[in-house]
Amino acid sequence: DVKVTQSSRYLVKRTGEKVFLECVQDMDHENMFWYRQDPGLGLRLIYFSYDVKMKEKGDIPEGYSVSREKKERFSLILESASTNQTSMYLCASVTGSYEQYFGPGTRLTVT
Amino acid sequence: AQRVTQPEKLLSVFKGAPVELKCNYSYSGSPELFWYVQYSRQRLQLLLRHISRESIKGFTADLNKGETSFHLKKPFAQEEDSAMYYCALSDSSYKLIFGSGTRLLVRP
Repeated sequence: DVKVTQSSRYLVKRTGEKVFLECVQDMDHENMFWYRQDPGLGLRLIYFSYDVKMKEKGDIPEGYSVSREKKERFSLILESASTNQTSMYLCASVTGSYEQYFGPGTRLTVT
Repeated sequence: AQRVTQPEKLLSVFKGAPVELKCNYSYSGSPELFWYVQYSRQRLQLLLRHISRESIKGFTADLNKGETSFHLKKPFAQEEDSAMYYCALSDSSYKLIFGSGTRLLVRP
């Protein structure tokens, strides 16, 4: 059974802080994704990674960066958090059959 | 441009009534289409994909290329079907493009 875990379920940060969101998968998947989920907007892709040390921008990468030093771990970094980054963040990894497995999500509030 | 449209933000039905959640897509090639579901306090999970042509939890979805639609249907809604439903499209890569989601509320 695929397991995707995220480091925090809830996080509260102040404007300007650097924020790290971590995602770990245990199925040796090469492809991993970070989305943000907002009411009325659905899921929007921030960044994705096809392999270790490889990353590509998604649809809304501004204000974010990522790190993939190990295959199982994909980190999302908010360099200087802003209030418009308050959201639910979802991580996913992908099987060879294109099915995406999602983590439980991190609800980030920036005050 | 690739796009997925779910025109209804909220769909409310009574238990036992038929359900149809609408999904239209815009894509020039042959897409892979999916329905994902998120129950309250649970993670987002795959419900079904068009290529498998399965019925999951009584739900089916047929790809209509002429109308570029992939509507999700169930003949008799159950209260446990209440959830957020997302239609998604994938091109030949592993990326998904999601619609804005439809909240299904099944009332007793």
